[in-house]
Amino acid sequence: EAQVTQNPRYLITVTGKKLTVTCSQNMNHEYMSWYRQDPGLGLRQIYYSMNVEVTDKGDVPEGYKVSRKEKRNFPLILESPSPNQTSLYFCASSFGRTNSPLHFGNGTRLTVT
Amino acid sequence: GQQVMQIPQYQHVQEGEDFTTYCNSSTTLSNIQWYKQRPGGHPVFLIQLVKSGEVKKQKRLTFQFGEAKKNSSLHITATQTTDVGTYFCADSNTGNQFYFGTGTSLTVIP
Repeated sequence: EAQVTQNPRYLITVTGKKLTVTCSQNMNHEYMSWYRQDPGLGLRQIYYSMNVEVTDKGDVPEGYKVSRKEKRNFPLILESPSPNQTSLYFCASSFGRTNSPLHFGNGTRLTVT
Repeated sequence: GQQVMQIPQYQHVQEGEDFTTYCNSSTTLSNIQWYKQRPGGHPVFLIQLVKSGEVKKQKRLTFQFGEAKKNSSLHITATQTTDVGTYFCADSNTGNQFYFGTGTSLTVIP
């Protein structure tokens, strides 16, 4: 089944403790991206990647890192999480550039205390 | 960054009533995509509009792209309880960034 898999679904952590949210897709998509969803703000893009070893900042990249060492994986790294990064995170992928629909993972709800 | 405004933020309708959500941008949109997110779920792609003035229909859903490509709308005729969720528009610029609207949360009262 074609899908985008995110893990974990729920994560509670403390300020400053490094964490990684994994994202994997099995559709051979070139484009992958991360979003955070907050009430009243919609979905905001954190980082995106056009292909292996190619990543770029989205609208809200501060406090996040990503890597794209393999085509199928695009992990989101929070080196030193802070409470303002408490949010619902989505990974998404698509075949190509702007005209392709995004396929979203099931989301990761992160709470930083 | 680019801002895509969406109104209303919330809408409660009686089952059978119509519903419309509007997406507006101060700049010209490259193309517009619409997504639906069920409560507790993830956004799911509905449709993409590319041409100025384009109108597309999916059963009871009608999507429209403005002539100036600065606005778009989604209209649902005779809402059903299965239409419940949050509807997002999204613009993707030539730099491969996606800008989502703030979303409209639809509640359908049986």
